[in-house]
Amino acid sequence: DAGITQSPRHKVTETGTPVTLRCHQTENHRYMYWYRQDPGHGLRLIHYSYGVKDTDKGEVSDGYSVSRSKTEDFLLTLESATSSQTSVYFCAISVSGNTEAFFGQGTRLTVV
Amino acid sequence: RKEVEQDPGPFNVPEGATVAFNCTYSNSASQSFFWYRQDCRKEPKLLMSVYSSGNEDGRFTAQLNRASQYISLLIRDSKLSDSATYLCVVVMNTGFQKLVFGTGTRLLVSP
Repeated sequence: DAGITQSPRHKVTETGTPVTLRCHQTENHRYMYWYRQDPGHGLRLIHYSYGVKDTDKGEVSDGYSVSRSKTEDFLLTLESATSSQTSVYFCAISVSGNTEAFFGQGTRLTVV
Repeated sequence: RKEVEQDPGPFNVPEGATVAFNCTYSNSASQSFFWYRQDCRKEPKLLMSVYSSGNEDGRFTAQLNRASQYISLLIRDSKLSDSATYLCVVVMNTGFQKLVFGTGTRLLVSP
């Protein structure tokens, strides 16, 4: 299995609080992604990174920010959590933008 | 129109059956295609890539039809362990090459 670790695996937080999810890889892949998965919507891209300090928005980026200061780490921050951000968050990595991606085990986030 | 569309199912089949899933995509310039498998409450895992010439991996066969913009996955001799959700994935080039996922087709294989 690809070396991808997400932390935390589960989190419950209150509305209005900031939350940071971490994705750590040991594969030295250039591309990293954050997706959220909700029933009926499938996997939707939040943000992605194509190198250290190089990030861009995906299709559902409102309310989220990311940072990538090292190749191996990609952080996703919910600036002020809302109940609509209750979801399962997956990090993924890939060698390039048109190759297969490998996923972390996911973070189940509940905003109450 | 969604960029990638799949029949959500569920497909209920008996063990040993052959089952096929189709997936359509909107961007005719797409170049790379994949099938992923996702078990309940787990991460998606790559099942196979889809090549223009088609490819086979054991009981699984993937086909690409560029003219009609669809890809297919055929599973022969279904096993109970094949029960999962199968995700169609297309690489879209919209200034940035990104993986676009279908919502998945659920397969239930029964004894």
